[in-house]
Parts: sequence; C-alpha cells; structure tokens
Amino acid sequence: GAVVSQHPSWVICKSGTSVKIECRSLDFQATTMFWYRQFPKQSLMLMATSNEGSKATYEQGVEKDKFLINHASLTLSTLTVTSAHPEDSSFYICSAGPRLDEKLFFGSGTQLSVL
Amino acid sequence: QKEVEQNSGPLSVPEGAIASLNCTYSDRGSQSFFWYRQYSGKSPELIMSIYSNGDKEDGRFTAQLNKASQYVSLLIRDSQPSDSATYLCAVGFGNEKLTFGTGTRLTIIP
Repeated sequence: GAVVSQHPSWVICKSGTSVKIECRSLDFQATTMFWYRQFPKQSLMLMATSNEGSKATYEQGVEKDKFLINHASLTLSTLTVTSAHPEDSSFYICSAGPRLDEKLFFGSGTQLSVL
Repeated sequence: QKEVEQNSGPLSVPEGAIASLNCTYSDRGSQSFFWYRQYSGKSPELIMSIYSNGDKEDGRFTAQLNKASQYVSLLIRDSQPSDSATYLCAVGFGNEKLTFGTGTRLTIIP
C-alpha cells in the first residue's frame, strides 16, 4: 500500500524556538496533504490542508503565521511550528492519498514537547 | 457542512465476542467510506474501505454500508485484547477531502 513518511518521530525544543516537521509521500504524488494535531485522549483535529504550489488552507482557529506550511513538491510538505510554546506540545500527524476523496494514509506522527 | 457522527464510547466488549461500531453521515451523496484504527500514541491506520451497499469482509473485520439509512458499521468478530483502540470512521464525497468522525474508543475485556 501507499506509504507516507513523517520525520522526526519526536522532538523536544525550548520555548521560543521553531520546529520543522516533514511529510513525504513515498510511492505516489500528492497534490494535497493534510496536517492534524491531537492532544492526549482527544480526537484528531484537522489543522490545515497543504496544496502543492499554492497557499495552504487553514481551519478556523488555527494561526497561519504560527503554523507555516510549505508544499513545494508533489511528494513533500513541511509544517513549521514557529516560536513554539508549551501549549503547542502535541502529537502532529500528516496524511496524504493518491486522490482527494479516496483513502488517506497517515504518517507515523511527531510528538512535540516544548519546554 | 458534512458531518460524520460516532459514539465516543468507551465501548467495552468481552474477549471473543463481536464488537459493533457504528457511524452515521449527513451527506446522502457520499461515495467512499473508510474505517481507521488508532492505538494510543500512534497514528491512524486504514483497516477497511467500502464503496457499495452491503457487507465487505476482511478476516475478522466486516464493514457494512447502508446508503439509504446513511450509516456504515464495522463488526469485529472474535474480539481480541489487541483490538482495543480508537476506531475512526471517514467519509468521502466527490472531489472533496475526507470527513472524519471523532472516533469510538473500544476496550476488549480479557
């Protein structure tokens, strides 16, 4: 099946620093990728839709200047958490699929801890 | 706005019994339906997809789709402790992104 690779798996950073998370589709091209955040024991929350070659679409309440998304190629999207604070500590997951309305494959997730 | 509803649970089922998970959706024109399993601290993994009315079986899993009633269900036969997880229902329509339910937490009791 299709594979989506996400790196890093976990990251610890100091408050005020920026963290970049990469999401790659390994065996298909993805014009669209999705970024989610999940707090412990809570539901998956869609943060934004990453569109290759154009601006990302952010869900209501998600700060686009804090969560920078770049989708520069058909196989790579990055999420940068800028000026991270402890409240940004969460599990971040990306997903992608060969078609928009078809099955999605998820990356393994990134556990971010901000000290 | 398209909605996908799931009972959040927790749903507790004895080991060896059948676990039944249900999902309803609001958009009658929805065309693709998926079940994902998510273990605590891990990302979701796809376990079943279904596109036509009726049943689709894969090992111990059976997905059931009823478009007229706008529901899709997942049955897990011979439930095992390793089936304890959160199960997410996702629905697709046309050229739009999938809509996910909030998930049902399933616990299999040994």
